[in-house]
Amino acid sequence: DIQMTQSPSSLSASVGDRVTITCRASQNIDSYLNWYQQKPGKAPKLLIYAASSLQSGVPSRFSGSGFGTDFTLTISSLQPEDFATYYCQQSSSTPRTFGQGTRLETK
Amino acid sequence: QVQLQESGLGLVKPSETLSLTCTVSGGSINTYYWNWIRQPPGKGLEWIGYIYYSGSTNYNPSLRSRVTMSVDTSKNQFSLKLNSVTAADTAVYYCARLFLLGTFNWFDPWGQGTLVTVSS
Repeated sequence: DIQMTQSPSSLSASVGDRVTITCRASQNIDSYLNWYQQKPGKAPKLLIYAASSLQSGVPSRFSGSGFGTDFTLTISSLQPEDFATYYCQQSSSTPRTFGQGTRLETK
Repeated sequence: QVQLQESGLGLVKPSETLSLTCTVSGGSINTYYWNWIRQPPGKGLEWIGYIYYSGSTNYNPSLRSRVTMSVDTSKNQFSLKLNSVTAADTAVYYCARLFLLGTFNWFDPWGQGTLVTVSS
């Protein structure tokens, strides 16, 4: 299985901050990396697919980058509705696997 | 706009079988791969497996011995059975479509999720 490791596990930030979350794969996954946002009691919501493509309807303050084993999700200017948990997920092979999540909290 | 909705019993006894159904609306089930994903309370996401509309399946090796998925194209539904459950199977269970674009793929949309508790 491909292991996905996110850092940090939790992060405190303020509205307006620039935030970066990192995801590392245990082996090369090219650009087969997706990012999801999950709010309490809700299903995950797709933000970024294929490492850097913004899903339709997702604000442009979200961006993704990376290739191979190292990836990042960046929120350029944090908004109140962005406080949530973020997961990366590899779509290179089965079993599909997720990172452990990064909880973004208000400072 | 495709929407998914899980249904099934929310309480299952240890050693028994968990059964859930996902109903697809707003689109046909006759394409794509249809997935089950679970999330134990306060924990991360685990992919259980998928079924294609034709009936072919791919399960997570960690659960393969206990999982069965099926599809009913006439009802636009697919189902999950997990046998010999224990407390470790307590989780919110989500169904989700695997969307394909060339070789790239991702889970979208998701159902709202249903909590299944394993307890006597």
